[in-house]
Amino acid sequence: KAGVTQTPRYLIKTRGQQVTLSCSPISGHRSVSWYQQTPGQGLQFLFEYFSETQRNKGNFPGRFSGRQFSNSRSEMNVSTLELGDSALYLCASSLDPPNTEAFFGQGTRLTVV
Amino acid sequence: AQSVTQLGSHVSVSEGALVLLRCNYSSSVPPYLFWYVQYPNQGLQLLLKYTTGATLVKGINGFEAEFKKSETSFHLTKPSAHMSDAAEYFCAVSDIGGTSYGKLTFGQGTILTVHP
Repeated sequence: KAGVTQTPRYLIKTRGQQVTLSCSPISGHRSVSWYQQTPGQGLQFLFEYFSETQRNKGNFPGRFSGRQFSNSRSEMNVSTLELGDSALYLCASSLDPPNTEAFFGQGTRLTVV
Repeated sequence: AQSVTQLGSHVSVSEGALVLLRCNYSSSVPPYLFWYVQYPNQGLQLLLKYTTGATLVKGINGFEAEFKKSETSFHLTKPSAHMSDAAEYFCAVSDIGGTSYGKLTFGQGTILTVHP
């Protein structure tokens, strides 16, 4: 069974640009969550989608957005990139949170220059 | 709001020694509890979880953790460290209901170093 796949693995963007990251969950998983990981702030929850609906959102500015498609694949978008957005972005999928565990992808390393 | 505190950002042990990584949580109700491990440039891998039932939980790679409600703790242990255990470990909690769907609250992480 294939795991959670995140693409691309690495990205370099310039301040002010926007970026889209993709996440393909484990087959059958309908919940996808996104996290930002930085050395200073650690792992912080961005948002969670279930059956194309955002059910939960963390404390991030509106520049951070996401969506989920009917096949459960999810994308997150960051507009007007800032240097502080440089981070590892992790996607996790699960069957039915919190009753089932989250499986994480390898992440997308975003560098903003 | 939930919070998770991992005591010690760095822990160093000798190969074969006991591993003890500490985790305390703050939650209005007993949450679900998890330990994850992260190797460099990788995602998170679940080691073990506590939801209900037996408070001593066994996970992969010889790790186990004990949920102590009275101490609001969920410490991770392994009797004998191996070089391959060197990684960063994260304790996480999840509410069991309400509007906390899919949200894990993580501790700051503990980097485990294993010396030969």
